[in-house]
Amino acid sequence: SQTIHQWPATLVQPVGSPLSLECTVEGTSNPNLYWYRQAAGRGLQLLFYSVGIGQISSEVPQNLSASRPQDRQFILSSKKLLLSDSGFYLCAWSVWDHYNEQFFGPGTRLTVL
Amino acid sequence: GIQVEQSPPDLILQEGANSTLRCNFSDSVNNLQWFHQNPWGQLINLFYIPSGTKQNGRLSATTVATERYSLLYISSSQTTDSGVYFCAVEGDRGSTLGRLYFGRGTQLTVWP
Repeated sequence: SQTIHQWPATLVQPVGSPLSLECTVEGTSNPNLYWYRQAAGRGLQLLFYSVGIGQISSEVPQNLSASRPQDRQFILSSKKLLLSDSGFYLCAWSVWDHYNEQFFGPGTRLTVL
Repeated sequence: GIQVEQSPPDLILQEGANSTLRCNFSDSVNNLQWFHQNPWGQLINLFYIPSGTKQNGRLSATTVATERYSLLYISSSQTTDSGVYFCAVEGDRGSTLGRLYFGRGTQLTVWP
């Protein structure tokens, strides 16, 4: 069965510091991978998605970037965090031959002080 | 993009009560999913239901794609049903294909 991991679970970082969040998927190959952010107020916002190694689509211009160095690894980064980067970051995966149904990881709660 | 509206935004129930959550969307879709976000933030898949009706225990869902809405029914609610319920859709063409558009959710609180 498929499993998705995210780490760290929680993170407190000062403004201006770098960020690296990691997401890995097990039990499937060539998944579509997604990064979402959930700010206070409940809505989920798609940040990046990837259909393959090195292929990244950005949905919203911002202080963040994403990379996919391996088939089942998706990394969210920032060179300098802003206060507004605080939130709950969720990684998700899907595969086209399973109707592209998305499944989510446990999330990383980021607080920028 | 596709607009997704969920109602009601908040719902408070006593244990044992039934409820209906609604999701309206603004365009034709390939995919519609219902999720439950538990108090720890985990998004749990409830249904993949671009059309038709499905049931899973006390939960059932119906999507009427031609009228662009979906309903989630919760019967005999329990305290463990508390949390936020999200509806999300994937469009069927162009830039809306391959990505999910989320509603703002329904916050459900079930009291014992």
